[in-house]
Order: sequence, then C-alpha cells, then structure tokens
Amino acid sequence: GAGVSQTPSNKVTEKGKYVELRCDPISGHTALYWYRQSLGQGPEFLIYFQGTGAADDSGLPNDRFFAVRPEGSVSTLKIQRTERGDSAVYLCASSSQGGSTEAFFGQGTRLTVV
Amino acid sequence: LAKTTQPISMDSYEGQEVNITCSHNNIATNDYITWYQQFPSQGPRFIIQGYKTKVTNEVASLFIPADRKSSTLSLPRVSLSDTAVYYCLVGDNRSSASKIIFGSGTRLSIRP
Repeated sequence: GAGVSQTPSNKVTEKGKYVELRCDPISGHTALYWYRQSLGQGPEFLIYFQGTGAADDSGLPNDRFFAVRPEGSVSTLKIQRTERGDSAVYLCASSSQGGSTEAFFGQGTRLTVV
Repeated sequence: LAKTTQPISMDSYEGQEVNITCSHNNIATNDYITWYQQFPSQGPRFIIQGYKTKVTNEVASLFIPADRKSSTLSLPRVSLSDTAVYYCLVGDNRSSASKIIFGSGTRLSIRP
C-alpha cells in the first residue's frame, strides 16, 4: 500500500478482555516497530521486528503484551487481560532496512479500556 | 543509546524563523541525528536526518557542529500549520540492532 495502515482506528474494550491490533507496513519494508503513546508523551518503544523475528522486545511492559509477524509483513499486537492503564494510542512504523531511523508511521489505533 | 535533551515548548509567530536545539552529549561515532514532526492525532513524520555540518531539504535545515554534541533544527518562515511536536533522536541507522527511541519532544506553537 501507499503507507502504513493500522486497524482498527479506534477500539473500546472492557477491562479484562483480549484485544488484537493490526499493522500493515509499507510493502517491502523489512523492519517494523510498535510504539505506545499516552497523552502529552512521546512514543514509547514496545517491540521491533526485523523480518519475521522480534529483534528487540525489551519495551513490552509485561507478559500480557505479545506481538507477531509470521510472514514478515503484517504484524499483530496482542494484549491479554486488558487494564485501564493500557489505554493509549498504539503506533506502528515500518522502514526499508533494519535499524534505519527514517521510519514511516501509521495513524495509530486509539485503545480505550473501560 | 544516546539520550537527547530538548526544550519542552516554544512559541513563535507566523513568518519567523524557528530554531529548536537538541543536546546529545553522549552521541556515538556511528549515530545519526534525526528529527520527526508529529501533529495531533497522527503518527510522527520524518523531517530530516544528518551526520555532521549542515543538511537542507524542502522542509527544514539541520545544523550540526563539529563536536556533534548538539544539533539545531531550523524551520524558515513558519506558518500556523507548523504547530506540532518536534522530536530529536540519535541512533545508528546502519545497525540492524538499533531501535528508534523517542524523547518527550518540543511542543512548538505558532501564533498569527
């Protein structure tokens, strides 16, 4: 596609539920990043994929968070047993090479846990 | 990863030149300096990247002194639409192990 696509754009879920957030990167981009952004803060790094493998998952806050990229393109961020503190905008970005600091971001998914 | 420090906020007026300075005292030899812009309800957008001296594109200029411990993003003749948060990052863009880390950014407000 022309840019990074994230779905859904908005998601409201109840505390304790499971959610999946999807990211479609720019075609051919090997690197994919997930970030979480709270109001008034900069994007917080969660995980970085190089191809199908997670090159760095040090930003995942706990074991309720998990991400996959099985075919090296689309990625899904999965959050189990959601908590109100998980409410944020979840951003995905892709870049044409690993480690490149020129990344292209999607519009984000606004997650609200009630 | 080198940490960056930049002002929390800045104000300016339409038509003025705006300079946002970022400190990165612990920048590594292989690190590049990158600036992103973020509008409300959008993801960050790459503006400019440089290693040393000066880089200019259609959006901005980036000035980097010889010691590379700071950099200045220069926006010529700003307009209201330049109101956004600007992030300064440093990282090795040739290393597949390098991740992109954002700080808190500078909130730039442009007034008529």
